[in-house]
Amino acid sequence: AQSVTQLDSQVPVFEEAPVELRCNYSSSVSVYLFWYVQYPNQGLQLLLKYLSGSTLVKGINGFEAEFNKSQTSFHLRKPSVHISDTAEYFCAVSDETSGGSYIPTFGRGTSLIVHP
Amino acid sequence: ETGVTQTPRHLVMGMTNKKSLKCEQHLGHNAMYWYKQSAKKPLELMFVYNFKEQTENNSVPSRFSPECPNSSHLFLHLHTLQPEDSALYLCASSQGLAWADTQYFGPGTRLTVL
Repeated sequence: AQSVTQLDSQVPVFEEAPVELRCNYSSSVSVYLFWYVQYPNQGLQLLLKYLSGSTLVKGINGFEAEFNKSQTSFHLRKPSVHISDTAEYFCAVSDETSGGSYIPTFGRGTSLIVHP
Repeated sequence: ETGVTQTPRHLVMGMTNKKSLKCEQHLGHNAMYWYKQSAKKPLELMFVYNFKEQTENNSVPSRFSPECPNSSHLFLHLHTLQPEDSALYLCASSQGLAWADTQYFGPGTRLTVL
């Protein structure tokens, strides 16, 4: 089974500064990667996903992530954050079950805190 | 209603109570999921249904009993819970169980067991 490691449990940053949230996954032949965001009192919402093709993936709200196979990483970046980006961010890898289904395995999450 | 809805949003119950959580998806999806989200822990997959059939049961205690009467509705029946079962319970749906399928989540039910 795949595993996902989010190295930072909390990332504080000032408004309009750049941010990078780190995600590493265990190696596999085929990898399908996702970033989700969870705003307070809400469910998870897809930010972006990598399935194949270009290693730089652009998502909603100005976020992007880069798939790096050699480093088994899928870090999330935004060049300039807003107060409204304060939320919990989850990295996930699509993992094949013994029954042949694909179900995401999630990391522990990184809390992004944007200060004015 | 659009997306995935969950009711109730908040629930407080004693250890001897019986209650049910409800999830409904309006996306025409075929797969539905229950997750448990506890503080500072990864999301824990509990159950997966595809076309109303249970495909995954992630070693969940029998005090949690899922029910999927059709592809749009999913229930989680609760009885004789423990305080450590207090958590946010998230429902999700996806078109299917293929590698490219994206999950869509509901807002969750915040459960407190006294």
